[in-house]
Amino acid sequence: DAKTTQPPSMDCAEGRAANLPCNHSTISGNEYVYWYRQIHSQGPQYIIHGLKNNETNEMASLIITEDRKSSTLILPHATLRDTAVYYCIVRPANNAGGTSYGKLTFGQGTILTVHP
Amino acid sequence: KAGVTQTPRYLIKTRGQQVTLSCSPISGHRSVSWYQQTPGQGLQFLFEYFSETQRNKGNFPGRFSGRQFSNSRSEMNVSTLELGDSALYLCASSSGGYTDTQYFGPGTRLTVL
Repeated sequence: DAKTTQPPSMDCAEGRAANLPCNHSTISGNEYVYWYRQIHSQGPQYIIHGLKNNETNEMASLIITEDRKSSTLILPHATLRDTAVYYCIVRPANNAGGTSYGKLTFGQGTILTVHP
Repeated sequence: KAGVTQTPRYLIKTRGQQVTLSCSPISGHRSVSWYQQTPGQGLQFLFEYFSETQRNKGNFPGRFSGRQFSNSRSEMNVSTLELGDSALYLCASSSGGYTDTQYFGPGTRLTVL
C-alpha cells in the first residue's frame, strides 16, 4: 500500500475551517484515499474516501489533487468535538489481490486540536 | 442500523492465560477485520475474515487466532498471554466488496498483568 505523510499536529480555532493535508506521492491508479479519525481511546471513525474526484459528505470535504499525489481533508466549521487524531490512508480496492483484503495501514496521523 | 459491537469492553488477565474477544458486525456486513492498538506500535492489522474464511493476515505470532461464524460474528483468541499483549483490540466490519468501507467498533481494552 502507498505510504502517506501527514503533519504530526495542527491547531484550529473553533468555527473556522480545518484543512488537514496528506501527501501520498507513490499512490497507484487503483488506490483510494480514506480518512478516519480517532477520538481518545475510541474506535476510529470513518470520515470520507475518494479515488480522484473531490468528495463531500455531511462531515467533511476531500480534495484530491489532479496528479493524486496529495489530498486535503476539510472540516468546514470545526468544533471542540472535532479534536482527534486524523488518519489519511491509501489502499487498493479489494480485487487488487490478497494483501488488500480488510487491511488498513495506519500511520501516526495528525493530532488536530480545536481551540475555543 | 446498529453499529459494530464488541464484548467485553474491558478485560484483565494474567500472563500465560488465554482470552477470547467477540465482535458483532453491522447487519449485512460479511467482512470482519481485527486490529491491535498500542502506544508504541499504533494501529496494526491482525487479520480479516469473510464468509467464515480468513482472507488476509497481518504479521502477528500464531498465538493470535480468529474465526468467523455463519452469522458473520467473529471472535479472536490470544493464547499464552504476554505483558506486551496489553492493548486496545478493535474490530471493523464492512461489506467485503470492491471498495469496502470499514466501520470500527468501540474496542476491547485488554490489560495483562
